[in-house]
Order: sequence, then structure tokens, then C-alpha cells
Amino acid sequence: KQEVTQIPAALSVPEGENLVLNCSFTDSAIYNLQWFRQDPGKGLTSLLLIQSSQREQTSGRLNASLDKSSGRSTLYIAASQPGDSATYLCAVYEIKAAGNKLTFGGGTRVLVKP
Amino acid sequence: DGGITQSPKYLFRKEGQNVTLSCEQNLNHDAMYWYRQDPGQGLRLIYYSQIVNDFQKGDIAEGYSVSREKKESFPLTVTSAQKNPTAFYLCASSPQGPRTQYFGPGTRLLVL
Repeated sequence: KQEVTQIPAALSVPEGENLVLNCSFTDSAIYNLQWFRQDPGKGLTSLLLIQSSQREQTSGRLNASLDKSSGRSTLYIAASQPGDSATYLCAVYEIKAAGNKLTFGGGTRVLVKP
Repeated sequence: DGGITQSPKYLFRKEGQNVTLSCEQNLNHDAMYWYRQDPGQGLRLIYYSQIVNDFQKGDIAEGYSVSREKKESFPLTVTSAQKNPTAFYLCASSPQGPRTQYFGPGTRLLVL
């Protein structure tokens, strides 16, 4: 059974510092991996999607890398801003005979202090 | 204005009561999903539907029921059999296949 772990569970940094968020998964036979942002009491917004054949994806200040063989992904947020304060979740998509499935990690709660 | 709507934003359930959470999408997506999120945790799949009139159990379906009579709608009923229903419930939809899922704003269910 796939398990997705995000460490640390919470992170506090001063504004301007780069953020590094980690995600690990136990079964490397994934189809893709996604990073989501969740603001308090809100739904999820997709940030980046990396296909299993890709090594990284970039969008503005965000860069996500994927090392499928070691079961790891890292989300980098450059020059953090107070508006980046949120919870970040990673999720892996698997295609299985029993049904396709998205499995989420527990999230990393980020606070960027002005 | 396309998107996913969930109602109500807050819902209170009395002991032994069934309650229904609404989820509607106008994105013309075939697949729809219900997740439960507990504080400080990730999302766990309750039920999903790949097509109208068909749905499958997720990891934590016990105590919940769904229907998919229309493409746009995927209501979730929390039955009295669900002994610990207090949580944040998120609905999502996606096109067929391994595409990103689009999430609604969520419904917070509290027990009186």
C-alpha cells in the first residue's frame, strides 16, 4: 500500500528565505506526482504536476523535482513571501488494476514571517 | 464562471441524524471524488465516480453513501453509522484519466 510522507510537518522562515519542502513515497510505480497548496479552511489548488518520466517542473518561483527511483520529491519556493504562508501537500497518482488512485501526504504547514 | 461548488460551508449534525453534503461542478468533468481531511492530516478518499450512475468505494467508505444521477452532481450522505464524522470534507473533479483534480472550497461538518 502506497504511503506518502511529508517532512517537516511545519516550517517557519523569515521573508526572503528559500523554502525546501520534502515528500517521500514508498512505491515508486507512480504515474505522476502533484504539489498542492491549501489555505486555512479552503480547498486545494494545484501548483505543479510532474509526470513519472520527468525530473522537474517549474512555475515562476516554484520548482519541483522528482526522483522516482528513490521515492522522493522536493518543492523549492524561491525568495519566500508572507503570501506563501499555507499548507503544501504532495500527492502521487497510481494506475492499478483495482482502480486509479491519488494518495496524499499529511502536508507541511508553512509560515513566512515578514 | 466554471468551477466546483460545495454547500453548505458549515454543517451541524445531531446524534443519529443523516446529513447530505452537496457538490456541483460545471467543468464538464466525468470523474468526481469525495475526500475527508482531519486536522493536520492529508486527504483520505471516501468515494469516487468515473461516470454517471457508477461509483466506487474509496479507503474509508464505511458510514457514507453517494449517488451520481447527473454528471454535474455528486452528493455525499454522512449516515448515523459514521461514528466520528467531524472533519473537513472536500469534493473534487477531473477529466477522465490521470489528470489533475480540481477541488471545491470544502464543507466543515461538526457534531452537536
